[in-house]
Amino acid sequence: GQQLNQSPQSMFIQEGEDVSMNCTSSSIFNTWLWYKQEPGEGPVLLIALYKAGELTSNGRLTAQFGITRKDSFLNISASIPSDVGIYFCAGMNYGGSQGNLIFGKGTKLSVKP
Amino acid sequence: NAGVTQTPKFRVLKTGQSMTLLCAQDMNHEYMYWYRQDPGMGLRLIHYSVGEGTTAKGEVPDGYNVSRLKKQNFLLGLESAAPSQTSVYFCASSARGDYGYTFGSGTRLTVV
Repeated sequence: GQQLNQSPQSMFIQEGEDVSMNCTSSSIFNTWLWYKQEPGEGPVLLIALYKAGELTSNGRLTAQFGITRKDSFLNISASIPSDVGIYFCAGMNYGGSQGNLIFGKGTKLSVKP
Repeated sequence: NAGVTQTPKFRVLKTGQSMTLLCAQDMNHEYMYWYRQDPGMGLRLIHYSVGEGTTAKGEVPDGYNVSRLKKQNFLLGLESAAPSQTSVYFCASSARGDYGYTFGSGTRLTVV
């Protein structure tokens, strides 16, 4: 089946630093999504990307849908303590009656004040 | 709006016991999903439904059954719980199959 490789697995950064994480796949996706999960909660959608090459921002977050449709990255600028959590990428190919997300294994972000 | 509500939030079962996890959404979404989350494994799809009365298998369906008798509810059943089913279970829903999902806050299940 399709698999996503998400890196890095974890990051320890100082408040104010920029963060970059990415996902790669062995096959193409039509949609890339980025989620954030905080302890004890379900994942929350941050950014959705629907076209190859698309670059989308949500506040301090910026994500891009790779040209090859096999990768995506998420950048967080000027990190703050509330950015702490696990960030998941997810890819989807929608066709017919089936459309389900394939998730990466997550990047755990820790921010030191 | 409550969004996606999962009950219970925590449960401890003995091996061989059965239970049902309930997921309810108030957004009139057609699609609903059950995932399990294990350390280092990310989220894996158990079963999903593309509409009332329909269900389909996901990546890891063995040992689970589901039902979608009403559009707003998606039930996940464990007939005979095993320690390997210790996990955090998440329900999600979406308006369309090609759109981002809304997740519930999870059910932490321990099977001893």
